[in-house]
Amino acid sequence: DTAVSQTPKYLVTQMGNDKSIKCEQNLGHDTMYWYKQDSKKFLKIMFSYNNKELIINETVPNRFSPKSPDKAHLNLHINSLELGDSAVYFCASSQTARGQGANEKLFFGSGTQLSVL
Amino acid sequence: GENVEQHPSTLSVQEGDSAVIKCTYSDSASNYFPWYKQELGKGPQLIIDIRSNVGEKKDQRIAVTLNKTAKHFSLHITETQPEDSAVYFCAASRGGSTLGRLYFGRGTQLTVWP
Repeated sequence: DTAVSQTPKYLVTQMGNDKSIKCEQNLGHDTMYWYKQDSKKFLKIMFSYNNKELIINETVPNRFSPKSPDKAHLNLHINSLELGDSAVYFCASSQTARGQGANEKLFFGSGTQLSVL
Repeated sequence: GENVEQHPSTLSVQEGDSAVIKCTYSDSASNYFPWYKQELGKGPQLIIDIRSNVGEKKDQRIAVTLNKTAKHFSLHITETQPEDSAVYFCAASRGGSTLGRLYFGRGTQLTVWP
């Protein structure tokens, strides 16, 4: 069974459209993340949720809205897609204990290649 | 915030040779330093990590060294094999207080020629 699974793997869409990427983890972790990897392979955190609570919200346009219905799921919805949104989006999870010497080991999904035309 | 610099950006070695990738960080409060390997079409995968109370850690053919004073850490791969070819990322974080905020280096494309 895949530990962190995200769908779809590929997403090709027109500018201005709205799209969603789904992520699920079956590791029992309490923290989930969205990372963006640009064409030069740079990995940048976008959001993180701990027990469904938003913890990290980097400088990301309001068009990006994460939603965590439960600890095992973190979806990413993107409104009014722009050409610059084209990238690979990675979901990840970790088991993190606040204030107890956190375990920062991230488990990544296989990525969603988003292409905005 | 933290700034992680990684060098080189590309590295080509002959099979059997050693490969070394170096990273520096800026935040003296960083205390956790993982290395991730990303194969083509896949997500990054943790291969080794080190915490600031340790100077060196080894796992078979890979090792990581940390110099807290100089704020740099390195990944060493010995007896490289073609399947070691991938993009390698170093990262740094402060650990528990930031709940997983990892700052990544820009990656090193390692190519191992048979």
